[in-house]
Amino acid sequence: GAVVSQHPSRVICKSGTSVKIECRSLDFQATTMFWYRQFPKKSLMLMATSNEGSKATYEQGVEKDKFLINHASLTLSTLTVTSAHPEDSSFYICSASVQGSSYNEQFFGPGTRLTVL
Amino acid sequence: AQSVAQPEDQVNVAEGNPLTVKCTYSVSGNPYLFWYVQYPNRGLQFLLKYITGDNLVKGSYGFEAEFNKSQTSFHLKKPSALVSDSALYFCAVRDPYNAGNNRKLIWGLGTSLAVNP
Repeated sequence: GAVVSQHPSRVICKSGTSVKIECRSLDFQATTMFWYRQFPKKSLMLMATSNEGSKATYEQGVEKDKFLINHASLTLSTLTVTSAHPEDSSFYICSASVQGSSYNEQFFGPGTRLTVL
Repeated sequence: AQSVAQPEDQVNVAEGNPLTVKCTYSVSGNPYLFWYVQYPNRGLQFLLKYITGDNLVKGSYGFEAEFNKSQTSFHLKKPSALVSDSALYFCAVRDPYNAGNNRKLIWGLGTSLAVNP
């Protein structure tokens, strides 16, 4: 099946620093990738839809200047949490859809645990 | 408005017994429906999907789900639960007629399944 990787799997940083998370589709091309944030009580929140070669589409309430998304190629999307604060600590998960059919399932990365001190 | 409901926050079942995890949806057209499973500190794994055709869909790990249009439900089932099935289960829906959403899924809040030995 399609494989999506995320790097790093875990990161601890100081408040005020920026953190970049990479999401790669390893064996398929993904024109669209999605970034999610998962809160401790499990709910999954879609942050943004990342489209290769164009600007990301952010969900309501998500600060685009805070969470910078770049989708420079068909296999890589990055999420940068700028000037991170403790409230940004969370589990961030990316997913990707195989290019082509609109009803293909999303394939998820293993997630990145961000802790901001 | 599109929505997905997973009415049970937690489901407990004894090993060997049948399990059901409930999901109901609301979309404007014919839905594309998905089930995903999440093991602790991991990303989500695709289990099965309904696009069209037979209402009973079989998926990974012995799971199946039945699409019921009149009840707008897509309950996940397994005839005999295993302890290893204990995880978090998410139901999701995509409205195929909403062309502007870049294949975005609408997610339920998740159901924690605990299978007791």
